[in-house]
Amino acid sequence: KQEVTQIPAALSVPEGENLVLNCSFTDSAIYNLQWFRQDPGKGLTSLLLIQSSQREQTSGRLNASLDKSSGRSTLYIAASQPGDSATYLCALRTSGTYKYIFGTGTRLKVLA
Amino acid sequence: DAGVIQSPRHEVTEMGQEVTLRCKPISGHNSLFWYRQTMMRGLELLIYFNNNVPIDDSGMPEDRFSAKMPNASFSTLKIQPSEPRDSAVYFCASSLGQGAVGEQFFGPGTRLTVL
Repeated sequence: KQEVTQIPAALSVPEGENLVLNCSFTDSAIYNLQWFRQDPGKGLTSLLLIQSSQREQTSGRLNASLDKSSGRSTLYIAASQPGDSATYLCALRTSGTYKYIFGTGTRLKVLA
Repeated sequence: DAGVIQSPRHEVTEMGQEVTLRCKPISGHNSLFWYRQTMMRGLELLIYFNNNVPIDDSGMPEDRFSAKMPNASFSTLKIQPSEPRDSAVYFCASSLGQGAVGEQFFGPGTRLTVL
């Protein structure tokens, strides 16, 4: 059974820092992996989608990497800003299934 | 595009009442997902439709829950009768392709409180 873990559960950093959020999974036979952010009381906003055949995806200050052999994905945020404060969730689809399994999220706070 | 639209945004009801949540997916998307989010269990998939057909409803917790998708632009999730433990935020998401193939786009959610 696929399990998705995100550590740490919460993180506070000063503005301007580069930071890395982690997502670990137990079954490496994944189809794709998607990173989302969720603001309090709001829905999920898609950040990056990585297909199984890809190693990384970039969008602006965000870079997501995927290492299936180690069961790990990381979301790198460069030059963090207070507006980056949110909960970040990873979700992945295991090969042969239709559904996403979500991690429990990392709650990020960037201090001005 | 307006994105995924959900209504109502907030619903407060009493135990035993029927609750209907509504979703309009992004035009052109052929996969639709209903999720439930709670503090204890995080995000859980309830049901997945592809081309208006329910493909996987294994996440639907009980017979009190039912979902329909009468056409490509509308879906409902119904709880009858509702119970306090159904209190949660319910999200609808849509994507292009079969299953979690393409990027999923989420609606703003419906916050349900059952008293």
